[in-house]
Amino acid sequence: DTGVSQNPRHKITKRGQNVTFRCDPISEHNRLYWYRQTLGQGPEFLTYFQNEAQLEKSRLLSDRFSAERPKGSFSTLEIQRTEQGDSAMYLCASSSGPQLGKNIQYFGAGTRLSVL
Amino acid sequence: GENVEQHPSTLSVQEGDSAVIKCTYSDSASNYFPWYKQELGKGPQLIIDIRSNVGEKKDQRIAVTLNKTAKHFSLHITETQPEDSAVYFCAATATTGTASKLTFGTGTRLQVTL
Repeated sequence: DTGVSQNPRHKITKRGQNVTFRCDPISEHNRLYWYRQTLGQGPEFLTYFQNEAQLEKSRLLSDRFSAERPKGSFSTLEIQRTEQGDSAMYLCASSSGPQLGKNIQYFGAGTRLSVL
Repeated sequence: GENVEQHPSTLSVQEGDSAVIKCTYSDSASNYFPWYKQELGKGPQLIIDIRSNVGEKKDQRIAVTLNKTAKHFSLHITETQPEDSAVYFCAATATTGTASKLTFGTGTRLQVTL
């Protein structure tokens, strides 16, 4: 069990560019979550996957955001036409299920995005 | 949806003293309440959690209490040490729903001074 891995750790981009982040969950965890955290705030839910199916998206996830988990293992989060307001820490978490006892979410170290 | 409020936003204690962080939640369907510790440059790390069928849980120097009627839950850290300095987040979720997404408080920055 190597924990949740996120890459890259830091990303600096210019406004209008596209960026993609990757998350590798704990192996055999079938649930994967994406959260966004801005300075001085708690993480906010963006979306989650049960295996390869994306089952819920927050209204925070505008049309410029897309997430995939093609084989039910790693996931990618892409932001198109980045805006300065997208600057934040993007956190990934995984769990083995929704039921009590399996629902503990383990977080990665995050990808910090800075949009110039 | 769920709303979680957390107080205080900053807390400074002397080493060896106790620290208490309080949270309230709004959704009576919430039944799982984890606490996370986040150090600079790192992701949140689970330190303790409590389910709605339990009123108190303790793990060494850390304890959590839950009052379902008042929709309050609190984190208690005793005999604080400098390595306890970090930002602490409470969270709530209803595991009976499909998402079990966590709703976080705004965090408490704890500083333990020598």
